[in-house]
Amino acid sequence: DAGVTQSPTHLIKTRGQHVTLRCSPISGHKSVSWYQQVLGQGPQFIFQYYEKEERGRGNFPDRFSARQFPNYSSELNVNALLLGDSALYLCASSQNTEAFFGQGTRLTVV
Amino acid sequence: RKEVEQDPGPFNVPEGATVAFNCTYSNSASQSFFWYRQDCRKEPKLLMSVYSSGNEDGRFTAQLNRASQYISLLIRDSKLSDSATYLCAHASGGSYIPTFGRGTSLIVHP
Repeated sequence: DAGVTQSPTHLIKTRGQHVTLRCSPISGHKSVSWYQQVLGQGPQFIFQYYEKEERGRGNFPDRFSARQFPNYSSELNVNALLLGDSALYLCASSQNTEAFFGQGTRLTVV
Repeated sequence: RKEVEQDPGPFNVPEGATVAFNCTYSNSASQSFFWYRQDCRKEPKLLMSVYSSGNEDGRFTAQLNRASQYISLLIRDSKLSDSATYLCAHASGGSYIPTFGRGTSLIVHP
């Protein structure tokens, strides 16, 4: 069975640009969460979607948005990129309480 | 006070040693607790879930102390391959959104 898949794995963007990150959850999982992890810190919660509805939002600016599609895959969008947005972006898939992560997208903003 | 606090370490132990990490949480409504393992530049992988007083899986034992609001992870007979960062996480009832600590770094040396 495929685990959580994320694309792309690596990305370099310039300040002010926009980025879209994609995630496909484990088959049968209806919940997708997005996290940002900077070096030396734990993952910080950005969004959670369940059955295409936003279930939770972390303390991130409005430049961050997300959505979930009918097939439960998800996109995270970040507008007007800042240098400080450089991080590992993790997608987690869950069916109940346990969350399983994809390999992440490493975003570098220059 | 942070929701989840962990000593970042590093904990530097010889092979065969027993090592324990503690993690404190501030939300008394938390119902689900987790330990994740994260290797350098990789995604976190679920190591153990803790729903009642504790859980054991081979060399790994997790314990929950609700009165003092902490969970612990005990690793017996450490292996070189146990070297990693160990993240603790909790989720409040119904939210299924794990909140993570910053992680504890473990280095097992020959």
